[in-house]
Amino acid sequence: DIQMTQSPSSLSASVGDRVTITCRASQSIGNYLNWYQQKPGKAPKLLIYAASTLQSGVPSRFSGSGSGTDFTLTISSLQPEDFATFYCQQSYSTPIFTFGPGTKVDI
Amino acid sequence: EVQLVESGGGLVQPGGSLRLSCEVSGFSFNRYWMSWVRQAPGKGLEWVASIQQEGSEKNYVDSVKGRFTISRDNAKKSLYLQMYSLRGDDTAVYYCARDDSGMGLWVYWGQGTLVTVSS
Repeated sequence: DIQMTQSPSSLSASVGDRVTITCRASQSIGNYLNWYQQKPGKAPKLLIYAASTLQSGVPSRFSGSGSGTDFTLTISSLQPEDFATFYCQQSYSTPIFTFGPGTKVDI
Repeated sequence: EVQLVESGGGLVQPGGSLRLSCEVSGFSFNRYWMSWVRQAPGKGLEWVASIQQEGSEKNYVDSVKGRFTISRDNAKKSLYLQMYSLRGDDTAVYYCARDDSGMGLWVYWGQGTLVTVSS
């Protein structure tokens, strides 16, 4: 099974900061990597798919990069509404899917 | 407007059964794979099961194989998760989600329904 890890597990940042979250797969997954944002008590929201494609309606301050085993989610200028937990998710081993453990971003 | 509304959650004793439902609107239900994803209290997300458009292909995470059954009724635009032999570690919010690629790309999600397994 493909295991996903994320770092850091949590971080504190200020409005306007550049934030980078890393996701690593236990084996190469090409670009089959998606990122989700989840706010407390809410369903997850898709931010980025195929490692770097921004989902429609998602602010351009979010970006994704990487391929193979190492991926990053970057928020170029953190906004107050970005307080959330972020999850990576691999779809390479379809029909089995796994999420990373999450990164909590505190403002 | 795309909407997914789960129901059927609640408190159940260990070893018990429960059936979750997800009623959808605002899109052609029979054109999409559908999935269940769960989240234990204070924990991360876990994909549980997915079902193909006609219901002929179903996939499960290992921890629920043989205990959970995913199904759908395209005429009723509804997705189901029948859960048997429930255990404490099945306690979670269960979300239904539309798979926009058939490969685990979930754009639309329901609000979730809480399942609590406890005596």
